[in-house]
Amino acid sequence: DTEVTQTPKHLVMGMTNKKSLKCEQHMGHRAMYWYKQKAKKPPELMFVYSYEKLSINESVPSRFSPECPNSSLLNLHLHALQPEDSALYLCASRRWTSGGQETQYFGPGTRLLVL
Amino acid sequence: AQKITQTQPGMFVQEKEAVTLDCTYDTSDPSYGLFWYKQPSSGEMIFLIYQGSYDQQNATEGRYSLNFQKARKSANLVISASQLGDSAMYFCAMREGAGGAQKLVFGQGTRLTINP
Repeated sequence: DTEVTQTPKHLVMGMTNKKSLKCEQHMGHRAMYWYKQKAKKPPELMFVYSYEKLSINESVPSRFSPECPNSSLLNLHLHALQPEDSALYLCASRRWTSGGQETQYFGPGTRLLVL
Repeated sequence: AQKITQTQPGMFVQEKEAVTLDCTYDTSDPSYGLFWYKQPSSGEMIFLIYQGSYDQQNATEGRYSLNFQKARKSANLVISASQLGDSAMYFCAMREGAGGAQKLVFGQGTRLTINP
């Protein structure tokens, strides 16, 4: 089973709202990722968590706040977003090893619209 | 920095024909991995196939095969006997970094349309 789940599937929020995106996997993967994808573009990495610790932050604005409460769960807290933050937000996870094939498995994404 | 290039923004193919999606990469790291993902209009990124830089044989997964030419730094995806459900965006990606700092570098993608 290579399932990564994300909720909600769609989200509409105003610029003053606070909302959260949720990602869950039960594959025992210890690396989890948040990506942002604009239409007709490839995914752009935002954050990486490794063993529940933030290992990569790709200079993402502070209005995006990630959280990894346990090894199966990854959240992305959103506050004071801008319309240009409207995008598909993808979560991914992978088995943590030092080498070899380390496929990232993606969830279905959350389509976010900021008004 | 590593780089992935997909030169075909869009491709149109008749159903049941084979199709090759091009991908070239640039890296100075002797150990690397190459991935292909499919993204239908629903948005989910679906893993298709993986090729490691030290793998002796080209990877195959069902109707998907990877034409890996290391000296030319190319990793083209071949889909045999295309089906209408193959219509989607296809991304080539390369692994960068290791351990907790590992991430994927994606190409710009190729939109494949299968015509009946």
